[in-house]
Amino acid sequence: QKEVEQNSGPLSVPEGAIASLNCTYSDRGSQSFFWYRQYSGKSPELIMFIYSNGDKEDGRFTAQLNKASQYVSLLIRDSQPSDSATYLCAVNPILTGGGNKLTFGTGTQLKVEL
Amino acid sequence: GAGVSQSPRYKVAKRGQDVALRCDPISGHVSLFWYQQALGQGPEFLTYFQNEAQLDKSGLPSDRFFAERPEGSVSTLKIQRTQQEDSAVYLCASSLTVDTQYFGPGTRLTVL
Repeated sequence: QKEVEQNSGPLSVPEGAIASLNCTYSDRGSQSFFWYRQYSGKSPELIMFIYSNGDKEDGRFTAQLNKASQYVSLLIRDSQPSDSATYLCAVNPILTGGGNKLTFGTGTQLKVEL
Repeated sequence: GAGVSQSPRYKVAKRGQDVALRCDPISGHVSLFWYQQALGQGPEFLTYFQNEAQLDKSGLPSDRFFAERPEGSVSTLKIQRTQQEDSAVYLCASSLTVDTQYFGPGTRLTVL
C-alpha cells in the first residue's frame, strides 16, 4: 500500500462546476496535510495546508480532513480552465518543531473544460 | 523577493558521468529539501538540511548520491557515475516554518 494514494485521473469537470479531489494516507501519525498544484513542466505550488479535522476555506478552495478515516480532500468551486493542472496531496508527520519531509501522492490530473 | 533558484535548469549527461546540481534557497530559510520527481509521479524525498546540518538523508537512493550545504545557504546535490534510472527532475525546496515549502523550478536531468 502506498503511503499517500490519489486517483491519477484525468478528472474532467465543466467550467463553473465543483471539482473534488481526494487523497488517502496510511500513516496515522501524519499531522499536517498539504495540497500542491503543478502545471505541466513547472514546479509544485502550495495551495493550502490543513492540520485539524474539518474544513478549511481559502477563496474558491476548501480542504477537508478526516483523520479517523485517514482522508483528505480538496474542493475547487467555480472551476476555471486555468485550474487545469495536476494536484498533489502531501502529508507530513510533524506538526511543529521544525521541517520534515513531505510524502507526496502521484497526483490527480484535473481538466476543466469550456 | 527572489524565490528558490536552481541551476542548471537542464542537464544531459552520459552514463557514468558525475553531475552537480545547485540550489539557492530563499534568503533566511533555514530548512532545505531535495526531492526527485520521475515522469508522472509525485516528488520523492531525498534529503533535508537545517542550516548546514544534514538531518535526514534517508531518501538518497544509493551512495552515488551526495548532498551538502556547507555554509547553511546554497546546497549542491551531486550524483556520481550517473545511471539511466537517475533521469528525473530534481526539485529543491526551502522553508522558514513547517507550514510551507517553496519549490524551485527544478533541474531536469537526462542520462543517456
